[in-house]
Amino acid sequence: AQSVTQPDIHITVSEGASLELRCNYSYGATPYLFWYVQSPGQGLQLLLKYFSGDTLVQGIKGFEAEFKRSQSSFNLRKPSVHWSDAAEYFCAVEGSNYQLIWGAGTKLIIKP
Amino acid sequence: DSGVTQTPKHLITATGQRVTLRCSPRSGDLSVYWYQQSLDQGLQFLIQYYNGEERAKGNILERFSAQQFPDLHSELNLSSLELGDSALYFCASSVLSGEAFFGQGTRLTVV
Repeated sequence: AQSVTQPDIHITVSEGASLELRCNYSYGATPYLFWYVQSPGQGLQLLLKYFSGDTLVQGIKGFEAEFKRSQSSFNLRKPSVHWSDAAEYFCAVEGSNYQLIWGAGTKLIIKP
Repeated sequence: DSGVTQTPKHLITATGQRVTLRCSPRSGDLSVYWYQQSLDQGLQFLIQYYNGEERAKGNILERFSAQQFPDLHSELNLSSLELGDSALYFCASSVLSGEAFFGQGTRLTVV
């Protein structure tokens, strides 16, 4: 069955430090992968997506993610976080009927 | 602004009641998805419509139903509401697959 695992429920990072949020997926075919961000009380905004090609994808707000097929991973990174990055981050894979299958989310807390 | 509009933003209702959530997709998007986000279940796919036809069903209860109208807006009907139905309900739209654009959600509270 298709599934997405985000092993970290919470991550705390100091402002200005680097960030890596982990995502592992289970999917039979070549996956379409996504990272979305949800700020408190807000909807979900797409940060970046991977369909094919270059395994390092750039997104909005300075985020990037790397697709590693051998590890079934699609980790999200940012070299230097800002207080405004505090939010919940969701990794998702597109299922066989185009719906999104979601990870449980990782809440990012920024220390001043 | 994603271009997807959901109304109402908040809804408080009693157990046993019925409510309708409304979604207007982005202009040109034929596909509409409904998702439920709750503390215990996380984000769950409920149902998808494409150009007026039901395309895929996820973890949608029999008490819930949806439809997509000729103008492509969609409604999610929730009936015989229970306390456990309290959640944030999101609508998303896309051309067909790939990038989905989400509305701000409807927060449903059942009391």
